[in-house]
Amino acid sequence: EIVLTQSPGTLSLSPGERATLSCRASQSLSDIYLAWYQQKPGQPPRLLIYATSSRATGIPDRFSGSGSGTHFTLTISRLEPEDFAVYYCQQFGSSLLTFGGGTTVEIK
Amino acid sequence: EVQLVESGGRLVKPGGSLRLSCATSGFTFSSYSMNWVRQTPGKGLEWVSSITSSGTYKYYADSLMGRFTISRDNSKNSLYLLLNSLRAEDTAVYYCARDNGNYFGHDFWGQGTLVTVSS
Repeated sequence: EIVLTQSPGTLSLSPGERATLSCRASQSLSDIYLAWYQQKPGQPPRLLIYATSSRATGIPDRFSGSGSGTHFTLTISRLEPEDFAVYYCQQFGSSLLTFGGGTTVEIK
Repeated sequence: EVQLVESGGRLVKPGGSLRLSCATSGFTFSSYSMNWVRQTPGKGLEWVSSITSSGTYKYYADSLMGRFTISRDNSKNSLYLLLNSLRAEDTAVYYCARDNGNYFGHDFWGQGTLVTVSS
């Protein structure tokens, strides 16, 4: 099983600031196998990024993804009020899929 | 419009069984792999199971220890999850999610159905 470790657990920032979220994999992943989701309370997750850096349909360009090997990053360039949520990474490098534990981006 | 609607969640006693359903519309169901993902209240996401478009291949999280069975009926555009030998730790919201056919990612999700395992 590929374990994904997200950090930090919680990020306290103000609107307009830049958010950098980390996702580390226990083994190397091809970049096509890493996705990011956003989840707000009471809602299902929403796909933000696939293949490490490609934005899903309708996702604003303030969201960007990068990384390779075992270290991947989600960046929100300037936080909007609606961006305060929980973010998860997910890997598809194995037939046994796994999610990271999540990073909460909260208003400071 | 793509829609996924889960049903079947309820309160069940430890050791009991339950079948969850996911009714879909708005896309050619038989062309897509599908998944179940669960979320314990207040906690993170856990992938449960996946099934390929034809139903030929099925995959399960190791933690389930063979207690769950995924299936689909392409004639009914529906996905199912049979949960056996339920434990308190299976209490969660269960989501069905579609795999995008062109890249790796779950591009559409249902609203979830709550399974509570308690005596």
